[in-house]
Formats: sequence, C-alpha cells, structure tokens
Amino acid sequence: DAGVIQSPRHEVTEMGQEVTLRCKPISGHNSLFWYRQTMMRGLELLIYFNNNVPIDDSGMPEDRFSAKMPNASFSTLKIQPSEPRDSAVYFCASSEGIVLDTQYFGPGTRLTVL
Amino acid sequence: EDKVVQSPLSLVVHEGDTVTLNCSYEVTNFRSLLWYKQEKKAPTFLFMLTSSGIEKKSGRLSSILDKKELSSILNITATQTGDSAIYLCAGSGGSNYKLTFGKGTLLTVNP
Repeated sequence: DAGVIQSPRHEVTEMGQEVTLRCKPISGHNSLFWYRQTMMRGLELLIYFNNNVPIDDSGMPEDRFSAKMPNASFSTLKIQPSEPRDSAVYFCASSEGIVLDTQYFGPGTRLTVL
Repeated sequence: EDKVVQSPLSLVVHEGDTVTLNCSYEVTNFRSLLWYKQEKKAPTFLFMLTSSGIEKKSGRLSSILDKKELSSILNITATQTGDSAIYLCAGSGGSNYKLTFGKGTLLTVNP
C-alpha cells in the first residue's frame, strides 16, 4: 500500500489567498484525521471524519478553515483567506476505524503564508 | 480538557547509552496510550498500550503503562544515531475518540 498521500508537499502563498490541501487515506481505512503541527503548540487535531462524515471539528481554529470528505478516498482542508499565523505543517492521518486508535500519518504539507 | 505532558523536552546522549522518556496523561475515560517516532517527516507508530503493567517491546525499544500513576515510559537501550528523533506520546479516550498529543521529546544521539 502507498500509505497516506498528501499534496502539495510544500505550499508558499501570500496572506489573503485561498489554500487547499489534499489527502488520500490508506485504502480500506474509514477514519481520517487532519492535524496541524507548530513548534509552539505541537500536534493539534483539527477535524476528523468517520465514513466520510465529520465527527468532531472542535479543533478547527476559526471559520476560515473548512474540510470536506466527498468520498472514502479523498479529503480537502481549505483555508480562506490565509494568514501568516496559519504557517505550519498540516498532516493527514487515517485509521481502520475509530476504535482501533492507531493512526497512520501522511508526509505532511508544509504551509508558509507570507 | 485532556492533557498529555512529556519530559524531558529534549535530551542529548551518546551512542550506546540507555534513555527513558516519560509521558503523563489526564484523559477522560482513558482507553489507550500511543507512542510515535517523528524524524524529518510524519510521525510513525511505535506502540499502543491499553493494559497497565504489560511491557510492549520492539527490538531495543520498550514501553510500559502505569494506569495508577497515569503515566507511561519509553525505554531505548544501546541507542544509535538513527534513534535521533522527536518521540511523541498520545492519549486516547472518551466518546470523541480523539488522540491528544504531548509536545514531544527531542532525542539527539551523538556518535
């Protein structure tokens, strides 16, 4: 299996622009998680889906952030408009099911907002 | 709010040393504790612990959970430069199935 796939791997954008991050979970996994990692705050869960349905989005920092999972093999995290404080590494992870807990992480997208 | 605290925040050792990394947790309706290793890229799964007092082992790495003390340790024996990484601990529990991560321990193993 190819593992969790994320794109792009690096994104540099200017403040105010829209940013879309993409994720393809491991085939057969039915839970998908979006995380943000910064030096100051560590790894924080933003939102997670089970069977394509958002279960908990309490970690989404504000309305500028939105996430979708239109089907079992694809999810997007969108930031509109982006701000410099959104600069971070964004990870997508998937697991076979929520109860099993073990999550497998993608390589991450390093976002820089100038 | 759930909380996971790791110590030390960073550690520098020489090859061949043994290290112990600590993790304490406050997780509502605790279910499991997980350890991940993060090198330059994504965290990779090491262990999941659910039962107190049972050691999980993989080569030179081992981990144990103490539910009474709400803590876990990760031991690495005969360290190698390839063990240099950030080690993350995460707790899982409650009805929302979230993993709450600690800030990590940065381990540097010098030759």
